[in-house]
Amino acid sequence: KAGVTQTPRYLIKTRGQQVTLSCSPISGHRSVSWYQQTPGQGLQFLFEYFSETQRNKGNFPGRFSGRQFSNSRSEMNVSTLELGDSALYLCASSLVPPPATNEQFFGPGTRLTVL
Amino acid sequence: QKEVEQDPGPLSVPEGAIVSLNCTYSNSAFQYFMWYRQYSRKGPELLMYTYSSGNKEDGRFTAQVDKSSKYISLFIRDSQPSDSATYLCAMSAPSETGNQFYFGTGTSLTVIP
Repeated sequence: KAGVTQTPRYLIKTRGQQVTLSCSPISGHRSVSWYQQTPGQGLQFLFEYFSETQRNKGNFPGRFSGRQFSNSRSEMNVSTLELGDSALYLCASSLVPPPATNEQFFGPGTRLTVL
Repeated sequence: QKEVEQDPGPLSVPEGAIVSLNCTYSNSAFQYFMWYRQYSRKGPELLMYTYSSGNKEDGRFTAQVDKSSKYISLFIRDSQPSDSATYLCAMSAPSETGNQFYFGTGTSLTVIP
């Protein structure tokens, strides 16, 4: 069974631009969560989607948004990029959303660099 | 104060040593406790998760939770060079729409052959 895939793997943008990242969950998984990982802050929860609905949102500004499609694929968008948005963005999928399961499977991440 | 505190290390041990990794937390609402392993240029992979206080063993790995002290540990016995990775603790607490996850910043471990 294929794992979680994320595209692109690497991205370089400049301040003020916007970016869209994509995540394809494991086949059959309907819950997708997004995280930002930085050396100083570790993994921070962005949001979680299930059945095309955002169920949970972390403490990030409105510049960060996401959506989920009917095939469970998900995208996240960051507008008006800032230098501090440079990070590894990770997507995790699970069969059903928590609390039914705590087993999340992570993708390899998209490394975003903002210049 | 962060919800979850984890010593970033780095930790370097000889092959065969017992490794102890630890996290402390402040939120008494945390109910699930997890350990992830992350190799370089990869996403985290779930190693173990526990629900209650006590020990849980899986092969060379033992997870320990002490809710009264708000302290969790991961022990690795007979450590191998392939265990070299960053280890992340994670915890979750229920919210109105489900669990929200909080991660430590990770401890970098190197096992020297």
